[in-house]
Amino acid sequence: RKEVEQDPGPFNVPEGATVAFNCTYSNSASQSFFWYRQDCRKEPKLLMSVYSSGNEDGRFTAQLNRASQYISLLIRDSKLSDSATYLCVVFGGGGNKLTFGTGTQLKVEL
Amino acid sequence: DAGVIQSPRHEVTEMGQEVTLRCKPISGHNSLFWYRQTMMRGLELLIYFNNNVPIDDSGMPEDRFSAKMPNASFSTLKIQPSEPRDSAVYFCASRPDSSYEQYFGPGTRLTVT
Repeated sequence: RKEVEQDPGPFNVPEGATVAFNCTYSNSASQSFFWYRQDCRKEPKLLMSVYSSGNEDGRFTAQLNRASQYISLLIRDSKLSDSATYLCVVFGGGGNKLTFGTGTQLKVEL
Repeated sequence: DAGVIQSPRHEVTEMGQEVTLRCKPISGHNSLFWYRQTMMRGLELLIYFNNNVPIDDSGMPEDRFSAKMPNASFSTLKIQPSEPRDSAVYFCASRPDSSYEQYFGPGTRLTVT
């Protein structure tokens, strides 16, 4: 079983739609959680951290369920510029390093 | 700040040749990471350094791969001899000890024919 699992997609949605991505992680000792965004042929960049209480940044909402070892990202009122691959990332659980999921591809269309 | 700098940006080489990838981390960042990204396997951690010391090299695929960090501002990843299955994008990333956020370089796109 992979340490971090994501649905690869692609998710094709119309502009203005709400879309949600899910991610599961296998190591219950994992300490911190993040969503990174990667544009085509570019490097990954931090989108937002994920806190136990849930957190929001503009149109983006991230949530963590430690009991189910599940992380989610919700994007409201999606824009064409949101088209990218979204990487679920977990820190800790036996190593001082980040473990990346393989990513979920989002395509926002007119 | 210039961010993480990697060179070359693109490398095309023939099987059996030596390849050296270079990275300059962000000044003041204590940790440096080398990743490989492919469509099939996603982003894989190869090795990381903390204060120039290799901490975890369990992701290095085999003896053909080696990495060094002779000082806080420079690291290399070497593949000798290279094989077609090494074709991938290699990213270098750095972060300070005070943060979990990693800053990635633009990557080196390696093609081995």
